[in-house]
Amino acid sequence: NAGVTQTPKFQVLKTGQSMTLQCAQDMNHNSMYWYRQDPGMGLRLIYYSASEGTTDKGEVPNGYNVSRLNKREFSLRLESAAPSQTSVYFCASRFGGVEQPQHFGDGTRLSIL
Amino acid sequence: DQQVKQNSPSLSVQEGRISILNCDYTNSMFDYFLWYKKYPAEGPTFLISISSIKDKNEDGRFTVFLNKSAKHLSLHIVPSQPGDSAVYFCAASEGSNAGNMLTFGGGTRLMVKP
Repeated sequence: NAGVTQTPKFQVLKTGQSMTLQCAQDMNHNSMYWYRQDPGMGLRLIYYSASEGTTDKGEVPNGYNVSRLNKREFSLRLESAAPSQTSVYFCASRFGGVEQPQHFGDGTRLSIL
Repeated sequence: DQQVKQNSPSLSVQEGRISILNCDYTNSMFDYFLWYKKYPAEGPTFLISISSIKDKNEDGRFTVFLNKSAKHLSLHIVPSQPGDSAVYFCAASEGSNAGNMLTFGGGTRLMVKP
């Protein structure tokens, strides 16, 4: 069982470059999420998709866009990367309501110079 | 302003003793709480949860306590083992929010010494 798969695992970008982070889940989950983790800040929600065909902003959406390509895939795009977006990005998915825990991928470590 | 806070960035405990990790929240609308465990270079993994209608939930060595009046929850690990060394995040959710979004605390790094 692959669970939640994120690609790439590591990436270095220059300021102003664009990049798409990929996420796919094979658990037939309805909801998918993108978080960023910064030291001492825990995980902060960037965008989420409650179901296929819908996306909504989370706590820190500025500078990002998302696409729920199908039920399995949820991508995160940085159109013009900035050093403040240097972070570890986690994708998660969940089948149903809050009683069902979110399952996380292993993260993408992104550095922007 | 952080709605979920873990005020202890780190905790060191001897193997076999109890580990107590604490979490405070400010949003009275939160009604479901979870603890996640995270090892380096891996994603967080779900550990245990509790609904606001309960004050305790137990799963093996892990027990979560909820004090709604104090807006405080804690995770007890008994006995602690070296393999428990990880970063622990508490998270909270409002049942009414679309997408059941989670709000996370900043994490506590637990080190269990052999």
